Amino acid sequence: EAQVTQNPRYLITVTGKKLTVTCSQNMNHEYMSWYRQDPGLGLRQIYYSMNVEVTDKGDVPEGYKVSRKEKRNFPLILESPSPNQTSLYFCASSFIQPGGTDTQYFGPGTRLTVL
Amino acid sequence: AQSVSQHNHHVILSEAASLELGCNYSYGGTVNLFWYVQYPGQHLQLLLKYFSGDPLVKGIKGFEAEFIKSKFSFNLRKPSVQWSDTAEYFCAVNNSNYQLIWGAGTKLIIKP
Repeated sequence: EAQVTQNPRYLITVTGKKLTVTCSQNMNHEYMSWYRQDPGLGLRQIYYSMNVEVTDKGDVPEGYKVSRKEKRNFPLILESPSPNQTSLYFCASSFIQPGGTDTQYFGPGTRLTVL
Repeated sequence: AQSVSQHNHHVILSEAASLELGCNYSYGGTVNLFWYVQYPGQHLQLLLKYFSGDPLVKGIKGFEAEFIKSKFSFNLRKPSVQWSDTAEYFCAVNNSNYQLIWGAGTKLIIKP
């Protein structure tokens, strides 16, 4: 089954404790992306990657890191989480079309709470 | 900075009413345009997309959208809504850097 998986689905942590949210896709998509969703703000792109070893900042990259060592995986790293990073996080992937991306396929989301 | 504006944050309609949700974007170059929907408790999923060609695009579940380049708009429409259309709707636009810019979303509630 074609899908994007994220783990964990729920995470409660404390300020400053490094964490990683994993994302994996099995559709051979070149493009992968991380978003955070906050009430009233919609989705904001954190980082995106157009292929292995190619990553770019989105709208809100501060406090986050990513890596793309393999095509299927795109982990999101919070080196020192803070309460303002409490949010719902989505990973997504897609093929690339001329001029942009194709349909994004979303993971189920990770609800992160930083105390 | 590039932006996407969705004019209505909350819309309440009765079943069988017609729907139009506004989306305007600020980017002046070639764009790929999308509408996504998030049903309660579910993933975001694609409703429809526009890359090029006919500016009137048809999507799933009877939705359509019209790209008007001169107005930088990509409004979503449905002639007759159903209770099952209750969801949050997001407009999104690619820029030339392959960044995807999203609107803040419109929460649609359909009264049975």
